[in-house]
Amino acid sequence: QKEVEQNSGPLSVPEGAIASLNCTYSDRGSQSFFWYRQYSGKSPELIMFIYSNGDKEDGRFTAQLNKASQYVSLLIRDSQPSDSATYLCAVRGTGNQFYFGTGTSLTVIP
Amino acid sequence: DAGVTQSPTHLIKTRGQQVTLRCSPKSGHDTVSWYQQALGQGPQFIFQYYEEEERQRGNFPDRFSGHQFPNYSSELNVNALLLGDSALYLCASSPLTSGRGADTQYFGPGTRLTVL
Repeated sequence: QKEVEQNSGPLSVPEGAIASLNCTYSDRGSQSFFWYRQYSGKSPELIMFIYSNGDKEDGRFTAQLNKASQYVSLLIRDSQPSDSATYLCAVRGTGNQFYFGTGTSLTVIP
Repeated sequence: DAGVTQSPTHLIKTRGQQVTLRCSPKSGHDTVSWYQQALGQGPQFIFQYYEEEERQRGNFPDRFSGHQFPNYSSELNVNALLLGDSALYLCASSPLTSGRGADTQYFGPGTRLTVL
């Protein structure tokens, strides 16, 4: 079992719609959770981090964390073509190592 | 505020050779982590340096080694290169001292290594 699992996609949404990206993790003791955006050929760019159960909003982005279900999600409202990228979920485990998922490819169709 | 920098941008080596990659962390950060990202995969943790010592290590062979200097910059060395070492090598820095957000990592642009 992988430490972090994501649906690789591709996920396609029309411009202006809500994109929903999901991630599950195996280490129940994990405390820190991150979403990164990676454009093709570029390095990952931090979008959000979340530590507590519930929702955290930042502009068009909302991160949701449910530790009981070991589930993290990212919602992108009013999706724009510039949001087209691969989204990486990362988790800091109890051993302080960071584990990344394989990423979900998102395409926003104009 | 300078972000994380890495050099070189691209590198081509042949099997069996050795390579050194360099990283300077973001200003105010003292912890450097290295990752390997193969095509179509997520970054895989190699190791982390703090106070010039290797603090954490992922599942990578001893051919992968590193160093951190007093100015917090870091090097990644890979010996006896294999074809499978071809990947994007990413450096990430974080404050990792205390407080919320202290473990947030910021990535450099990466070094694309091709082993022929």
